[in-house]
Amino acid sequence: DAGVTQSPTHLIKTRGQQVTLRCSPKSGHDTVSWYQQALGQGPQFIFQYYEEEERQRGNFPDRFSGHQFPNYSSELNVNALLLGDSALYLCASSSPPWTDYEQYFGPGTRLTVT
Amino acid sequence: GESVGLHLPTLSVQEGDNSIINCAYSNSASDYFIWYKQESGKGPQFIIDIRSNMDKRQGQRVTVLLNKTVKHLSLQIAATQPGDSAVYFCAEAISGGADGLTFGKGTHLIIQP
Repeated sequence: DAGVTQSPTHLIKTRGQQVTLRCSPKSGHDTVSWYQQALGQGPQFIFQYYEEEERQRGNFPDRFSGHQFPNYSSELNVNALLLGDSALYLCASSSPPWTDYEQYFGPGTRLTVT
Repeated sequence: GESVGLHLPTLSVQEGDNSIINCAYSNSASDYFIWYKQESGKGPQFIIDIRSNMDKRQGQRVTVLLNKTVKHLSLQIAATQPGDSAVYFCAEAISGGADGLTFGKGTHLIIQP
């Protein structure tokens, strides 16, 4: 049973560029949440996707956008990269009714913006 | 905004001793709390959870205590092993909500041989 997978593992981008990160949820899950984890900090909620729509969003600018595909996989896009966007981006999967928040996290994508 | 925080950034314990990691939360609407373990280079791994209608829950070698009066959460690890070395995060959520988990900054647990 495959867990949550993310790609790529590491990524280096230049300030101002755009980046796309990918996530495949755990088998049987249909909800994907994205988190940003700065070095030495706890993860911060970016947004959650369910039924191909953004269900809720954290306190992140519009430069952060996402998409969910019919197979439940998801992409996180970040435009106009800033140095402060350097972080570990985590994807977590779950399923309704979401009363149980045992979200399963992937290994993350380490983004470095230079 | 309201957030979950931890009292100590680093905790060093002797192998075989019990570890206690503390966490304070401030959102009184939160009714679901989770402890995660994160090892270097990996995503957070679920350890144990507790709902606000409980004050204690036990797992294998771990116990979570919830004190709603003072908005305090703790994780107790019995007979700490080298493999317990990691950063531990507490997180809070509102059941059924879509705001995601709110994490604290984490406590780095170091096991001394």
